Amino acid sequence: GDSVTQMEGPVTLSEEAFLTINCTYTATGYPSLFWYVQYPGEGLQLLLKATKADDKGSNKGFEATYRKETTSFHLEKGSVQVSDSAVYFCALSEHGNNRLAFGKGNQVVVIP
Amino acid sequence: DGGITQSPKYLFRKEGQNVTLSCEQNLNHDAMYWYRQDPGQGLRLIYYSQIVNDFQKGDIAEGYSVSREKKESFPLTVTSAQKNPTAFYLCASTRETGMNTEAFFGQGTRLTVV
Repeated sequence: GDSVTQMEGPVTLSEEAFLTINCTYTATGYPSLFWYVQYPGEGLQLLLKATKADDKGSNKGFEATYRKETTSFHLEKGSVQVSDSAVYFCALSEHGNNRLAFGKGNQVVVIP
Repeated sequence: DGGITQSPKYLFRKEGQNVTLSCEQNLNHDAMYWYRQDPGQGLRLIYYSQIVNDFQKGDIAEGYSVSREKKESFPLTVTSAQKNPTAFYLCASTRETGMNTEAFFGQGTRLTVV
């Protein structure tokens, strides 16, 4: 079945550092790909998405490019802030499917 | 403002008791979903509903039940048959059937069995 794999472990970095969170996926068809963010004690919010190969999703300085050849959708931000501290989830949905497949999430901690 | 409201935010239950988690949306969305979140495991789908009076099991439906009598409401009952109910529960909705559009999430209910 469809699945999403995120890199293991929390990510701790200093303010203004470059952030990368890796995400790879397995899908039978041509899924839509998403990054969701969860701030402490809250639900998830959509951060960005891409619906077809080579699309780039972007929002709030974050970017991710849909790479069909490497089945990846890595999240990047050039200069993180303390307010970016949260848990980030990669997810996919096959078109017409009624479920999102989530990765396990990565806790990001940005230190001033 | 439109959105999804889950209540209560924190819930304590004694072993052997059923408990119902509320989820209400005023977004006029057709589809609604319940997910369970455990540390280090991401989100797992419990049940989903595409239309009023219809719902389907997700990946971990055992020990849970739902109803969809109104478009706005999708309550989840955690029954005594659920062996490990302590978790964070998230309700979500989408404008149309299928999750390839944006999903809106509630703020979650943290259930603890005491």
